[in-house]
Amino acid sequence: DQQVKQNSPSLSVQEGRISILNCDYTNSMFDYFLWYKKYPAEGPTFLISISSIKDKNEDGRFTVFLNKSAKHLSLHIVPSQPGDSAVYFCAASAHRNNDMRFGAGTRLTVKP
Amino acid sequence: DGGITQSPKYLFRKEGQNVTLSCEQNLNHDAMYWYRQDPGQGLRLIYYSQIVNDFQKGDIAEGYSVSREKKESFPLTVTSAQKNPTAFYLCASTVGNGYTFGSGTRLTVV
Repeated sequence: DQQVKQNSPSLSVQEGRISILNCDYTNSMFDYFLWYKKYPAEGPTFLISISSIKDKNEDGRFTVFLNKSAKHLSLHIVPSQPGDSAVYFCAASAHRNNDMRFGAGTRLTVKP
Repeated sequence: DGGITQSPKYLFRKEGQNVTLSCEQNLNHDAMYWYRQDPGQGLRLIYYSQIVNDFQKGDIAEGYSVSREKKESFPLTVTSAQKNPTAFYLCASTVGNGYTFGSGTRLTVV
């Protein structure tokens, strides 16, 4: 039962342009959402989060948008840099950190 | 520096053998987790522990066992009952604001 879905396994973007990574969820009890970034052979690292009381959270080049009615969130990276090339996981939980569910990940490639 | 240490980084197992993956944290986190990553499937929860001497099964616990005798340590044993153990295994811990992950162990059955 895939409660968190990232339907695009890969995304390729030119350096300097915007990267948009999408995530959908099915469990209406989820109230906390996170994005993780993962390089090969390493563990994921926390990138940005958003709680369900907000619809936008911004941190430097990274912005996460939450559309609760559509059960959809997206991560925007502007401008994209080659160092952003990695796998990005979307994660969601009900009641913060309790039984977090992860999407399958999207591999972002930023071309110079 | 505080963090999570997983060892070994690479592990090879013969069919029918049990192997134990180590996970140690010095973050003073109460909760620890084991995930398995397979291509196209994201991270799936194997076991988790909210407190010492207590642990719970996740979504794919069959063929795995854990112990939590110390707050700092949460070893995962992959038993011979796990039919498809080749994967990337990640340990994580948390105290409230998202997970901290180890660097992972890649297990290959030969």
